[in-house]
Amino acid sequence: EIVMTQSPATLSVSPGERATLSCRASQSVSSNLAWYQQKPGQAPRLLIYGASTRATGIPARFSGSGSGTEFTLTISSLQSEDFAVYYCQQYNNWPGTFGQGTKLEIK
Amino acid sequence: QVQLVQSGAEVKKPGASVKVSCKASGYTFTSYGISWVRQAPGQGLEWMGWISAYNGNTNYAQKLQGRVTMTTDTSTSTAYMELRSLRSDDTAVYYCARTPTQYYDILTGYYKGPFDYWGQGTLVTVSS
Repeated sequence: EIVMTQSPATLSVSPGERATLSCRASQSVSSNLAWYQQKPGQAPRLLIYGASTRATGIPARFSGSGSGTEFTLTISSLQSEDFAVYYCQQYNNWPGTFGQGTKLEIK
Repeated sequence: QVQLVQSGAEVKKPGASVKVSCKASGYTFTSYGISWVRQAPGQGLEWMGWISAYNGNTNYAQKLQGRVTMTTDTSTSTAYMELRSLRSDDTAVYYCARTPTQYYDILTGYYKGPFDYWGQGTLVTVSS
């Protein structure tokens, strides 16, 4: 089973600034990686799939990059609604596995 | 618009079973699959398994094999997840999520893809 490791566990950023979240796979997952956003009391929401393709309705300030074992989610200018927990998920190998999450909090 | 509406919260005793439903609307049910993902309190996400709404093929997480059964009713566009022999560590929010068919690996029979729409979640509490 592939282990996904996200860093940092918590990231404090001011509104309007850029946030960079990292996700590392224990072995190559090619570009078969997704990012999800989860707000308190809500279900996760798909943001990015294929490492860099935004899902339907996702604002352009969200971007994903990387391949192989190293991936990044960038939020270019943080809005108040972006403060949440973010999870990466690999789906190159079965079973798909999630990282432990990065909590993005207001600085 | 795509919607997945799940059944309400459940409280069960250890050793009992629970069956959670997930009613889909806004798309052709049999053109996608459904995965189930759970989240223990304050914890991350754990994939439980997948079912094809087209033909009923299933993949289950190894740790749940023998305790979990996923089914669908195409006449009502509803997916079900039953978990048996409940333990306290099964206490979690259970989510259903739609899975695009393009990520079904015909060679292995496994679903390997993202989850594009999610239900609102169902809290299952296991307590004596």
